[in-house]
Amino acid sequence: GAGVSQSPSNKVTEKGKDVELRCDPISGHTALYWYRQRLGQGLEFLIYFQGNSAPDKSGLPSDRFSAERTGESVSTLTIQRTQQEDSAVYLCASSLAVLGRTEAFFGQGTRLTVV
Amino acid sequence: DQQVKQNSPSLSVQEGRISILNCDYTNSMFDYFLWYKKYPAEGPTFLISISSIKDKNEDGRFTVFLNKSAKHLSLHIVPSQPGDSAVYFCAARTGATNKLIFGTGTLLAVQP
Repeated sequence: GAGVSQSPSNKVTEKGKDVELRCDPISGHTALYWYRQRLGQGLEFLIYFQGNSAPDKSGLPSDRFSAERTGESVSTLTIQRTQQEDSAVYLCASSLAVLGRTEAFFGQGTRLTVV
Repeated sequence: DQQVKQNSPSLSVQEGRISILNCDYTNSMFDYFLWYKKYPAEGPTFLISISSIKDKNEDGRFTVFLNKSAKHLSLHIVPSQPGDSAVYFCAARTGATNKLIFGTGTLLAVQP
């Protein structure tokens, strides 16, 4: 596709349930990022994939959060045993990550509401 | 530890005037800086960037200034238009990784 695609666009889940969020990056982009934005807050880094390198998981807030990426394509962010504080917009971005240029292109996000 | 800071949560400007959005950072290893614009219910969109080897980059109505000694960058929009009303995020990365660290954002309101 022409841009970064995320699904679902909205997700309402009950506290304690697991959720899986999907991101389809721009074709050919080697780098993929997950961020989240809580209400009234900035963009909080979660995890970063770069090619075949080990992902940078330093932003994952707890071991309930995990993410995978298949090669240089789709990524899924999984939140286990969701809590109300997990409610946020989860944003995925991808970039070419070539030397000197790191413009990341974002999807529209998945709005997660934990009730 | 907030490495990228936007200390003004909001800014209101009259149409036609200049908007100046500020960003401070603490990590001297940052070598590339970006500004993003975000409308409600949309993902952020890339606006303009600057490498640490430059002190200014201009693209139409948008100019980014970098002051490395002060660890400060700013985005100037002139003339401001009502369609510029959005949240603006600055972001930075180090040369060692392409991980982007974002600030908390500034809500710009351009009054007609």
